[in-house]
Amino acid sequence: NAGVMQNPRHLVRRRGQEARLRCSPMKGHSHVYWYRQLPEEGLKFMVYLQKENIIDESGMPKERFSAEFPKEGPSILRIQQVVRGDSAAYFCASSQGQALSYNEQFFGPGTRLTVL
Amino acid sequence: AQKITQTQPGMFVQEKEAVTLDCTYDTSDPSYGLFWYKQPSSGEMIFLIYQGSYDQQNATEGRYSLNFQKARKSANLVISASQLGDSAMYFCAMSHVFANNDMRFGAGTRLTVKP
Repeated sequence: NAGVMQNPRHLVRRRGQEARLRCSPMKGHSHVYWYRQLPEEGLKFMVYLQKENIIDESGMPKERFSAEFPKEGPSILRIQQVVRGDSAAYFCASSQGQALSYNEQFFGPGTRLTVL
Repeated sequence: AQKITQTQPGMFVQEKEAVTLDCTYDTSDPSYGLFWYKQPSSGEMIFLIYQGSYDQQNATEGRYSLNFQKARKSANLVISASQLGDSAMYFCAMSHVFANNDMRFGAGTRLTVKP
């Protein structure tokens, strides 16, 4: 059973370009979370999605960032017109879903975005 | 507001000794879970241990144990018999049972195990 997959693992973009980060959840998981980790900091929650729905995007910057989790295919985190401050590691996690006990989130290996 | 605090930016421990990494949290929700993750220099996030707010006993997973003091709102990670491979960043995190979308992480503690 493959774990959470993210690609690319490393992404380099010039200022003003678009970055697309992909996340394939674990098999059987229908909940996806995106986190951002700036250098020497902890992870910061960005967005929580289920298939075709954004459940909570309270951690997403209001502009240039968007996320989707279509019925088929991976979840996509899209950053338009990237700036140097977007350079970070972006982690995706997935879980089976809400229940009356904890739902462990399994993390992908992360995508390291560098904006030149 | 939910908040996770890790007050130790860096810790050193001698190989084979035990070390405690501190974590305090703040929440008004009675139903929550506390997690510890390890992040080695390679960057991946590795789940270590979980403690539920209603669990009566402290969680243990191999060399990892969680010293859960609910009244003090602390969930310290204890690593026994440290190994060189334990050198990494360690993050404490909290989520709420009925709202799985709001996992919050502390700033992390960098542990260095000395030979």
